Amino acid sequence: NAGVMQNPRHLVRRRGQEARLRCSPMKGHSHVYWYRQLPEEGLKFMVYLQKENIIDESGMPKERFSAEFPKEGPSILRIQQVVRGDSAAYFCASSPSVVNEQFFGPGTRLTVL
Amino acid sequence: GESVGLHLPTLSVQEGDNSIINCAYSNSASDYFIWYKQESGKGPQFIIDIRSNMDKRQGQRVTVLLNKTVKHLSLQIAATQPGDSAVYFCAENMPGNQFYFGTGTSLTVIP
Repeated sequence: NAGVMQNPRHLVRRRGQEARLRCSPMKGHSHVYWYRQLPEEGLKFMVYLQKENIIDESGMPKERFSAEFPKEGPSILRIQQVVRGDSAAYFCASSPSVVNEQFFGPGTRLTVL
Repeated sequence: GESVGLHLPTLSVQEGDNSIINCAYSNSASDYFIWYKQESGKGPQFIIDIRSNMDKRQGQRVTVLLNKTVKHLSLQIAATQPGDSAVYFCAENMPGNQFYFGTGTSLTVIP
């Protein structure tokens, strides 16, 4: 059973471009969570999704950021018009239910030039 | 407890000593807690969990203690090894909600 997969592992974008981060949850997991981590800091919750639904997006900036988890395919975190402050590691986690442990992917490291 | 935006607390221990990492959680309604370990450049990995109906749980070389009265969680690592060097996060879960993570503690093991 493959773990949580994220791609790309590293992403470089220039200011103003779009970044698309993908997350494939573990098999059988329908709950997906996205976190952001700045260097030397903890994990900051961004958004929690179940298949086709956003359950909690209280941690996600109101502008430029969006997330989806379609019926088929991976979850996507999309950042439009990236700025230097968006540079961070973005981690995805999945779980079979909200009360179970979350399994994390290896992360995508976004660098905005 | 940990605060948003501050640098990680750090703990240095000698190889072979025991390590204790502490965490203050925020919500008295939280009923499930997990400790995660994050090595440099990797995603967090599950270490051990505990539910609120327990006050102690042991794993291999690790013990988690839960004090609900003061909303405190600790992780004890016995005979700390260089491979234990990492950042350790506690996470709390309230019924029906997602997990909230602490800022983390950076553990350095001195050979």
